[in-house]
Amino acid sequence: DGGITQSPKYLFRKEGQNVTLSCEQNLNHDAMYWYRQDPGQGLRLIYYSQIVNDFQKGDIAEGYSVSREKKESFPLTVTSAQKNPTAFYLCASSIAFGLEYEQYFGPGTRLTVT
Amino acid sequence: AQSVTQPDIHITVSEGASLELRCNYSYGATPYLFWYVQSPGQGLQLLLKYFSGDTLVQGIKGFEAEFKRSQSSFNLRKPSVHWSDAAEYFCAVNRGGTYKYIFGTGTRLKVLA
Repeated sequence: DGGITQSPKYLFRKEGQNVTLSCEQNLNHDAMYWYRQDPGQGLRLIYYSQIVNDFQKGDIAEGYSVSREKKESFPLTVTSAQKNPTAFYLCASSIAFGLEYEQYFGPGTRLTVT
Repeated sequence: AQSVTQPDIHITVSEGASLELRCNYSYGATPYLFWYVQSPGQGLQLLLKYFSGDTLVQGIKGFEAEFKRSQSSFNLRKPSVHWSDAAEYFCAVNRGGTYKYIFGTGTRLKVLA
């Protein structure tokens, strides 16, 4: 079955540590996205990638970094510079980068930093 | 600035009752409009989308939505709700010329047996 996998589902880290969230898709999609979801705030875009070896900052990129070395993979690193990293993180992909293409979402990773 | 408003944070309906979830957007031209559903602890699933043409759009799971330009609205409806419809629903807008999807803050639906 094609889809998006995110691992792990739950992640716990101590403050000051960097942590990397995995996102893999086997949909052969060109575009991939990372969103952060907080209660009552909807989804906010962190980074997006239109194609391999290219990525752009979204609305809340500070304290985060990404890479896109393979078409299937778009890992997100939450660095110690992110002031409030505890949140639910969603990865998404679309067949191409464009207005009309729907986004397919992974199941999410809940990160808790203490 | 462009925005999406879902005025109802929580809605409770009885199973079998009809449902309408409200979505209003602020944007000069006709945007691309979407409704997504999210079950607890899960990702989002697309219910339906509107780009142009017929303003009444049919989606999956028996949902439909109507685009009303005069009211800047894209309300989601279902004639008879099932207990499995309990979830959070997000309206989203993708404005012309950019990559950016703007999501509303969501409406959490509770279904009473």
